[in-house]
Amino acid sequence: EVQLEQSGAEVKKPGESLKISCKGSGYSFASYWIGWVRQMPGKGLEWMGIIYPGDSDTRYSPSFQGQVSISADKSTSTAYLQWSSLQASDTAMYYCARLLEVVVVPSSKSALGYWGQGTQVTVSS
Amino acid sequence: SYELTQPPSVSVSPGQTASITCSGDKLGDKYVYWYQQKPGQSPVLVIYQDNKRPSGIPERFSGSNSGNTATLTISGTQAVDEADYYCQAWDTSTVVFGGGTKVTAL
Repeated sequence: EVQLEQSGAEVKKPGESLKISCKGSGYSFASYWIGWVRQMPGKGLEWMGIIYPGDSDTRYSPSFQGQVSISADKSTSTAYLQWSSLQASDTAMYYCARLLEVVVVPSSKSALGYWGQGTQVTVSS
Repeated sequence: SYELTQPPSVSVSPGQTASITCSGDKLGDKYVYWYQQKPGQSPVLVIYQDNKRPSGIPERFSGSNSGNTATLTISGTQAVDEADYYCQAWDTSTVVFGGGTKVTAL
């Protein structure tokens, strides 16, 4: 059974750094692209970016390029989303999501087939 | 950047058909995906590549896509189908989500 287990809720102050995780199990972690999605309180889904753990090829949404860092460690089957300096506007639920199928590059044929349970990040002074 | 537009809300009587639209420029030339999100839960894929259902998704969920509009149809809507529904497409290597539609079974 495919599972994506995300790290627990975080409460941080503005300016602090943070790294949240998404551990995959039940499949070949290195072979499937994993993306990150933000959902601000009461709002819709926003695409942040995607990584291929096999070679760490990473594609960022233009809206999040330079704002966050996405990485992966295939030895521990874990993907990460990282901030160097949090802002109050980063308060949101963050989901990781795996593509449904193995693909060489993400394309119009790719569905977000499996989702983690979400990590709540709260940034407040 | 590419945009997908959904109505904020759709109301349907239990047992009736709910239709949720998603519009975008030449959307019919792209594959569309639909996700269901219930309060406090993660999104769940209910339709992929316009009209395919993942295993475990009830047959009452169906999808279509043509021209500038994709449609998610829930036939015989049940109270358990009350949720937010998001359409999604790809614009080059970036995912684009619609704003979401809240389906209420009155």
